[in-house]
Amino acid sequence: GQNIDQPTEMTATEGAIVQINCTYQTSGFNGLFWYQQHAGEAPTFLSYNVLDGLEEKGRFSSFLSRSKGYSYLLLKELQMKDSASYLCAVKDSNYQLIWGAGTKLIIKP
Amino acid sequence: DADVTQTPRNRITKTGKRIMLECSQTKGHDRMYWYRQDPGLGLRLIYYSFDVKDINKGEISDGYSVSRQAQAKFSLSLESAIPNQTALYFCATSEGVAGPYEQYFGPGTRLTVT
Repeated sequence: GQNIDQPTEMTATEGAIVQINCTYQTSGFNGLFWYQQHAGEAPTFLSYNVLDGLEEKGRFSSFLSRSKGYSYLLLKELQMKDSASYLCAVKDSNYQLIWGAGTKLIIKP
Repeated sequence: DADVTQTPRNRITKTGKRIMLECSQTKGHDRMYWYRQDPGLGLRLIYYSFDVKDINKGEISDGYSVSRQAQAKFSLSLESAIPNQTALYFCATSEGVAGPYEQYFGPGTRLTVT
């Protein structure tokens, strides 16, 4: 079967750096997405990786290793507004998105 | 104005009732999706449509049906609602399938079946 694994919950301090990991086993690979979802709201797109390496976008970076079936989302200079769930999703061989359950990130002052 | 809208935003219904959730988009995208989200689980695909004449079942289509009335409108129906269909439902659109095409989500419909 297809599987996306992420930690259920993480806690970090305002101003710090946090890394959210995602491992996947899917039928084929056509890209990996990270989304942010605030409680009770819609997911919003953060990043896309299809080749190995690091993609940087402001305070957020995303890394992919296809050989290891592994990605991480790195958030720098954490702000209270970053408290949210972070969803990892992989596009499989049928171009369907397979979603992880999400990592709830709690930011403490 | 929001690009992807959903109505209703909240709905409480009783077991056995028929209910329709509606989705409209102004993004001009051909591809539309219906997902449900349950606590502790990832988003699960119910149905998707690549154009008005193309409807496809997703991972969990049993108990649901859809209608694509126009490029901009995609409705999800629960023919006879049951309590385990209590969930947060999202509609989404995308410009393409292959490549870096993100999905744009509506605000969600919180459905409770009693």
